[in-house]
Amino acid sequence: GESVGLHLPTLSVQEGDNSIINCAYSNSASDYFIWYKQESGKGPQFIIDIRSNMDKRQGQRVTVLLNKTVKHLSLQIAATQPGDSAVYFCAENMDGGSQGNLIFGKGTKLSVKP
Amino acid sequence: NAGVTQTPKFQVLKTGQSMTLQCAQDMNHEYMSWYRQDPGMGLRLIHYSVGAGITDQGEVPNGYNVSRSTTEDFPLRLLSAAPSQTSVYFCASRPSGSDRVTQYFGPGTRLTVL
Repeated sequence: GESVGLHLPTLSVQEGDNSIINCAYSNSASDYFIWYKQESGKGPQFIIDIRSNMDKRQGQRVTVLLNKTVKHLSLQIAATQPGDSAVYFCAENMDGGSQGNLIFGKGTKLSVKP
Repeated sequence: NAGVTQTPKFQVLKTGQSMTLQCAQDMNHEYMSWYRQDPGMGLRLIHYSVGAGITDQGEVPNGYNVSRSTTEDFPLRLLSAAPSQTSVYFCASRPSGSDRVTQYFGPGTRLTVL
């Protein structure tokens, strides 16, 4: 089975609120994690990534947190907007970087209410 | 740059037919890969290539062939289509010479096998 999964399959938030999307992984050897956003009918779009030697990384309106102790990854979206509505996937690299193959979770659907 | 391009966008096949899904990238990326995405599931790796002339199997390679004669192109061949291969197929690439394994995806090909 997949080692990367998500706690919640769907998440509904009010426009302007902050969103938190969670992801669990099982392979403690994974050293690289990525969040992707996928809008309906489109390919996954890179959002942010983080190495295992970091516990936090920030981008524009997004923050990824990594807790290696409990093997947990989260994506925080500040001031969620209708354009953030999509399915969000976390992915991990399990090859130690040698090949760069990714294992994806099943995804969380984020719906933003106006 | 056009990024990662895929053709066709949609395809309907009959069981037993063969076809090739095209993927091209103009970013001079060494690594390219093919994933399939089924409803309610994350992306699963079919085949990948770390450079021209080199290919390898991913998680779900059965029923698919690939080749990598040039850096730019990475076609995926279905030898004898089956209904179980109904899915959305994504091609992705990433640059070489980098310690980041983030991959960039094309828009996808939606395949239906009757």
